[in-house]
Amino acid sequence: DGGITQSPKYLFRKEGQNVTLSCEQNLNHDAMYWYRQDPGQGLRLIYYSQIVNDFQKGDIAEGYSVSREKKESFPLTVTSAQKNPTAFYLCASSTGLGRYEQFFGPGTRLTVL
Amino acid sequence: KQEVTQIPAALSVPEGENLVLNCSFTDSAIYNLQWFRQDPGKGLTSLLLIQSSQREQTSGRLNASLDKSSGRSTLYIAASQPGDSATYLCAVRSDDRGSTLGRLYFGRGTQLTVWP
Repeated sequence: DGGITQSPKYLFRKEGQNVTLSCEQNLNHDAMYWYRQDPGQGLRLIYYSQIVNDFQKGDIAEGYSVSREKKESFPLTVTSAQKNPTAFYLCASSTGLGRYEQFFGPGTRLTVL
Repeated sequence: KQEVTQIPAALSVPEGENLVLNCSFTDSAIYNLQWFRQDPGKGLTSLLLIQSSQREQTSGRLNASLDKSSGRSTLYIAASQPGDSATYLCAVRSDDRGSTLGRLYFGRGTQLTVWP
């Protein structure tokens, strides 16, 4: 089955802890993205990567970090510097070759206790 | 900066009605436009993709149109069913000349409820 997987589905974090959200795709897509979704706010772009070993900040990158060491994987670390990390996090990837259609994973809900 | 607006924010209709969801964007320099569906607590599912050179796309009971010059797209849902209840999001991909891939800009969505 081709697709995007995110783990875990639910994540609980104590204040002051760093946590890493996993995103893996087997669609052979070059570009990958991380979004944050809060009620009433819509989707906001955190980071995106167009190729391996390269990534760009989105609109709300402060308090987050990413890596792109493999084409298939784009993990997101939520650091203790992120003041309000409780949210629904969505990973996505895009096709290339001119079509550039975006597909999403099932999401991870992070709650800070 | 591209801004995407969706109207209405919420819509409640009886089963069987034909309905139209609206999306507008401020910068007409787009590469494509994509409509998504999101069920509560789930990821987004791609419904239709319209390239900037196209006027419309159809998939089953869904039809999406694009008027790039006026910055508008509509999603038409025919013969609505309770299973269509979800949030529908519109997103435009910027046309970043010189870059291989632009980013998507999302509207806040229209929450649709279809009651039996």
